Amino acid sequence: DVKVTQSSRYLVKRTGEKVFLECVQDMDHENMFWYRQDPGLGLRLIYFSYDVKMKEKGDIPEGYSVSREKKERFSLILESASTNQTSMYLCASSPPLTDPYEQYFGPGTRLTVT
Amino acid sequence: AQSVTQLGSHVSVSEGALVLLRCNYSSSVPPYLFWYVQYPNQGLQLLLKYTSAATLVKGINGFEAEFKKSETSFHLTKPSAHMSDAAEYFCAVNNYGGSQGNLIFGKGTKLSVKP
Repeated sequence: DVKVTQSSRYLVKRTGEKVFLECVQDMDHENMFWYRQDPGLGLRLIYFSYDVKMKEKGDIPEGYSVSREKKERFSLILESASTNQTSMYLCASSPPLTDPYEQYFGPGTRLTVT
Repeated sequence: AQSVTQLGSHVSVSEGALVLLRCNYSSSVPPYLFWYVQYPNQGLQLLLKYTSAATLVKGINGFEAEFKKSETSFHLTKPSAHMSDAAEYFCAVNNYGGSQGNLIFGKGTKLSVKP
């Protein structure tokens, strides 16, 4: 089974802090994604990556950056955390485009910024 | 561009009753469609997917969905609800209009099951 793990289930940070959210997958997937989930808004794509050192902006990249130095690891960085970034963050991975787009999700990190 | 609309942010059924969660999509090309389930404080788990083979797709936990091109729908059903089905359900479509490999998610439907 594909396993996607996220470094923390719950995280509390202060406004202005730099925050790192880590995601690791163990199935050698090329594609990795970061979403944030808010009530009534569903999942919104922040950034995604198709390969090591490659990244592309999703729908809501402002205030975030990402890093993918190794194929299995995709990090989301909040450069200066703000209270409006309090949310559930979900990481996902998927195989190459020969497979029909199915994504595998981690358990999520619930981030609170105070 | 592709889009997904889930009708009803909350659905409540009695245990043993039919579950029907509605999803309509918009796509300029034949879509791939997915239903995911999210239990409280967990990530999303794939229930089933449509990939242009059979129009009636069976998934895990007794769920199934039917792809109806004429109605641009992909509704999720289960004949008899269990208490353990209480969760949030998301419909998704592949994003041909944007970068390949992306999914576009609906806003979700929270299912409550009454004893």
